[in-house]
Amino acid sequence: QQQVKQSPQSLIVQKGGISIINCAYENTAFDYFPWYQQFPGKGPALLIAIRPDVSEKKEGRFTISFNKSAKQFSLHIMDSQPGDSATYFCASTLGGAQKLVFGQGTRLTINP
Amino acid sequence: DGGITQSPKYLFRKEGQNVTLSCEQNLNHDAMYWYRQDPGQGLRLIYYSQIVNDFQKGDIAEGYSVSREKKESFPLTVTSAQKNPTAFYLCASSMWQTNEKLFFGSGTQLSVL
Repeated sequence: QQQVKQSPQSLIVQKGGISIINCAYENTAFDYFPWYQQFPGKGPALLIAIRPDVSEKKEGRFTISFNKSAKQFSLHIMDSQPGDSATYFCASTLGGAQKLVFGQGTRLTINP
Repeated sequence: DGGITQSPKYLFRKEGQNVTLSCEQNLNHDAMYWYRQDPGQGLRLIYYSQIVNDFQKGDIAEGYSVSREKKESFPLTVTSAQKNPTAFYLCASSMWQTNEKLFFGSGTQLSVL
């Protein structure tokens, strides 16, 4: 199975800092790259997503940077807040949700 | 409120027992999915269904079974053949025509007694 490798496994950031989570994928045909946010005891929720025709997408404090040649994409959280403390999953797919391949997840903790 | 409802929140299974996890959605989505979440392993697809009365195996279907008799419902049975069932189980749905975006329920934590 095509893999998506996510790093780091856990991350601690001070309030107001920048949180950065990285993902690397193998299949160059992937055409959709979402990030999901999951709070403890809850299901994941779509946070932001990008397609390979752009190199960056920003929604509020959340930005995806996409490097097609390196087969990597990353999530940047600006001005990180304690409420951002959650587990974040990257994913990739070609051809629909049933083919989504998820990364291993990153547990983010924002210290006040 | 539109959404996906999973029940129960917590479930305990005895040795040799089959247990069924419920998933109901009122989003009018065509496609539904079951994922298993283990610490440090991300989300792994168990089964999915694109239409009523049809479903497909995912990556880790062994020891599980599903049915899709109604569009709104997609129950998952964890059979006694699943030797390591302890995990957090997530149900999800998507609109078929834009089916890349998943909507998840709040999950069921299954533990073995």
